[in-house]
Amino acid sequence: DVQLVESGGGLVQPGRSLRLSCTTSGFSFGDYAMSWFRQAPGKGPEWVSFIRSKYYGETTEYAASVKGRFTISRDDSKSIAYLQMNSLKTEDTAVYYCTYYFGSGVRWGGQGTLVTVSS
Amino acid sequence: DIVMTQTPRSSLVTLGQPASISCRSSQSLVHSNGNTFLSWVHQRPGQPPRLLIYRISNRFSGVPDRFSGSGAGTDFTLEISRVEAEDVGVYYCMQATQFPWTFGQGTKVEI
Repeated sequence: DVQLVESGGGLVQPGRSLRLSCTTSGFSFGDYAMSWFRQAPGKGPEWVSFIRSKYYGETTEYAASVKGRFTISRDDSKSIAYLQMNSLKTEDTAVYYCTYYFGSGVRWGGQGTLVTVSS
Repeated sequence: DIVMTQTPRSSLVTLGQPASISCRSSQSLVHSNGNTFLSWVHQRPGQPPRLLIYRISNRFSGVPDRFSGSGAGTDFTLEISRVEAEDVGVYYCMQATQFPWTFGQGTKVEI
């Protein structure tokens, strides 16, 4: 059974950093691209970041709103994806979801982790 | 960025009756590889989103066959043949043809 479990969220002051983790099981993690989305309170989902598999060079993509501040990475030996978030802003407050991309669509699965950026 | 526009924004439906949601993109979603990466996502209140349909018309694993997707190019439709109580929530179309991936504003379905 596919499992995607996000962790690492919490309350953080503006300008500080946070690292989210996505612990996975039930699929061949190393074969798939991974992606993070977020959803601010009362809003629709927003795509944040994407990392290709090792086969495709682990290249990355970012939304303009987070480029230069967020870094996506992966550890295939542990089947974990990460999202390092630096210089956090109040507008980064959201539930963050980890997903995997199976080449034709995005597989959602976790309950997400809440990040609240506030002084 | 590709702008996704959904209509209607909300829909009051009757149990057992059909429902339909439209999604239009600001440019063609046909990828250079010939595929069209248009998905439909459903989110029940208080729950994470879940994938319903990918590449226009393919139902994801476990999705009931009362859900169907159609369309091409820039115009797409999600149809529910007979609405059930568990179908309430917000439906989003999403394009993954071009980065940044983008969503429609959502359609809230209520019974």
